[in-house]
Amino acid sequence: DGGITQSPKYLFRKEGQNVTLSCEQNLNHDAMYWYRQDPGQGLRLIYYSQIVNDFQKGDIAEGYSVSREKKESFPLTVTSAQKNPTAFYLCASSTRGTSPNTGELFFGEGSRLTVL
Amino acid sequence: GEDVEQSLFLSVREGDSSVINCTYTDSSSTYLYWYKQEPGAGLQLLTYIFSNMDMKQDQRLTVLLNKKDKHLSLRIADTQTGDSAIYFCAEKTAGRRALTFGSGTRLQVQP
Repeated sequence: DGGITQSPKYLFRKEGQNVTLSCEQNLNHDAMYWYRQDPGQGLRLIYYSQIVNDFQKGDIAEGYSVSREKKESFPLTVTSAQKNPTAFYLCASSTRGTSPNTGELFFGEGSRLTVL
Repeated sequence: GEDVEQSLFLSVREGDSSVINCTYTDSSSTYLYWYKQEPGAGLQLLTYIFSNMDMKQDQRLTVLLNKKDKHLSLRIADTQTGDSAIYFCAEKTAGRRALTFGSGTRLQVQP
């Protein structure tokens, strides 16, 4: 079945450590996104990529890094520079094509990161 | 800039209608969406509406869009306990590649 797979589902990290969250999609989508979800704050955009080997910062990119070496994969690294990394991280993808392109995002199941 | 706002919580009784409201500020919205999130899971698209439409109905769901007031609502008829979840509205605007989401409304359905 086509979809987006995020791993791990749960992750614990000590302060000062970097951690990488995986996101893989087999929907043949060009665009991929990372959002962060905190209680009562909705989803905030971290990074997005419209095409392989290209990505742009979102609204809260500080302390995060990404790569887009393959169309299917868009890993997110939470670095030690991120001041408050404990959150639920959601990866999404979408098509970039022309009509009909509603801009709909398809989401993975999320990864919950807890910093101890 | 873009800003999408929702109330945080709504409680209804099973069988009643639920109405979840959303306001947005960017007048260049092209599409507006309603997503549903169940506990510990990702978001699933429920429905969307193009910005030149006033209303869209899909089974138990009715979306109303008042573009003049920048107000979007989602009505769920005959609300069931399985409808308990967080509902997010989101907008796609002409000048932004990614969707902008509201804070989410937690719907609690009481038996």
